Amino acid sequence: AQKVTQAQTEISVVEKEDVTLDCVYETRDTTYYLFWYKQPPSGELVFLIRRNSFDEQNEISGRYSWNFQKSTSSFNFTITASQVVDSAVYFCALSEHFGNEKLTFGTGTRLTIIP
Amino acid sequence: DTGVSQDPRHKITKRGQNVTFRCDPISEHNRLYWYRQTLGQGPEFLTYFQNEAQLEKSRLLSDRFSAERPKGSFSTLEIQRTEQGDSAMYLCASAPGQRETQYFGPGTRLLVL
Repeated sequence: AQKVTQAQTEISVVEKEDVTLDCVYETRDTTYYLFWYKQPPSGELVFLIRRNSFDEQNEISGRYSWNFQKSTSSFNFTITASQVVDSAVYFCALSEHFGNEKLTFGTGTRLTIIP
Repeated sequence: DTGVSQDPRHKITKRGQNVTFRCDPISEHNRLYWYRQTLGQGPEFLTYFQNEAQLEKSRLLSDRFSAERPKGSFSTLEIQRTEQGDSAMYLCASAPGQRETQYFGPGTRLLVL
C-alpha cells in the first residue's frame, strides 16, 4: 500500500529565511509519481511540481527547489528567501503507475511566514 | 483555459437532507476525480471517471454517495441522507489523460448540522 508522511505539522519562519518541507513516501511499485501541491487559505489545491520515479534530477523553479532521493524515499521541498505569500498548507502526494490513478496525500505542513 | 470549477462553493444542510455538488473539468480533460478533505487532513480519494465511465470507487464512498458523469463532461456528486460525519471539503480534479497531473478546483465546503 502506498503512504506519504509529512512529519512537520506546522513550521513558522521569518520572511526571507529559507525553509525545507519534508516528505517521505512508501510504495511497492518501481514506477511512481510524486507531487507537491499548495493549498492557500482559499482552499484550492495548486499544483507545484510532478516528478517521475525514474528521474532523480533535482529541480529548481525560481525560489522553489525539490530534492528527490530514491535511496531514502524522500522528496523534499525548499523555499528560498521565503515571502508572506508562501504562507499556506503544502501537501506531498504519490501516485503509483500500476495501481489506480488516485493520489495519496500526506497530512500536509502548514507554513507560516512571519513578516 | 479556464480551470476546474465547482458549484456551490459552500453548502449548509440539515442532517438527513440530500445534497448534490457539480464539477466542471478543464475543457477536453477526459479524467475526472473526486476527493474528500476533512479538517487537518490531506485529501482522500473517492472515485474517478474516464469520460462517462466510472472506473473506481473508494471504500470511503458508502451507498449514500453516488457520482455521475453522464456526457463525459461535468460530473455530479450526490450525498443522500447526509450525516454530520459528511461535513468536509469535496474537491474535484481533472487530468488530460491517464496518469497525467491532476488539477484541482476550489472545492465545495459542506457543513451538516
